Amino acid sequence: AQSVTQPDIHITVSEGASLELRCNYSYGATPYLFWYVQSPGQGLQLLLKYFSGDTLVQGIKGFEAEFKRSQSSFNLRKPSVHWSDAAEYFCAVGSGEKLVFGAGTILRVKS
Amino acid sequence: EAEVAQSPRYKITEKSQAVAFWCDPISGHATLYWYRQILGQGPELLVQFQDESVVDDSQLPKDRFSAERLKGVDSTLKIQPAELGDSAMYLCASSRLRGRPQETQYFGPGTRLLVL
Repeated sequence: AQSVTQPDIHITVSEGASLELRCNYSYGATPYLFWYVQSPGQGLQLLLKYFSGDTLVQGIKGFEAEFKRSQSSFNLRKPSVHWSDAAEYFCAVGSGEKLVFGAGTILRVKS
Repeated sequence: EAEVAQSPRYKITEKSQAVAFWCDPISGHATLYWYRQILGQGPELLVQFQDESVVDDSQLPKDRFSAERLKGVDSTLKIQPAELGDSAMYLCASSRLRGRPQETQYFGPGTRLLVL
């Protein structure tokens, strides 16, 4: 069965520092991969998605993610974190027409 | 920018009572999803509609949960009777087309349910 693992439950970074959130997936075929962000009390907003082609994907708010098939990973990165990036981040794999989500990583930004 | 609307935003109920949640997808979106998000976990699909038809309800606890999308537009998710374990965030999402896993799903703000 398809699954997504986000190994880090919480991550704290200083404002201005770089960020990498890890995501590993299990999927038999070519995966469709997504990163969503959820601010407190809000729904999920799509940051970026990967289907094929260039393995480095650019998204909104300065985020990017790199697909590495050999490592079954799709890690999210940002070169310089802003206090407004504090939120929960979910990685998801498209399984048929539905999304299978990881458990999420809570990002805290300290000033 | 069009958004998915949900109401109520918060609901507190006692166990064994009935509750209902409403979702209005983005206009023109054919596919509608209901997800349940338990605290500390990612969202999990409960039911998927294509227009007014159910496409996938394999994870819907059908003894107490029901969902409908009568005219293929807005949708209602009902729980009767509610149990303590139903406390969660219920998220609605919609996408423009069906059959394309790469279609972006747009999420509403969710309804947070607390069952006492």
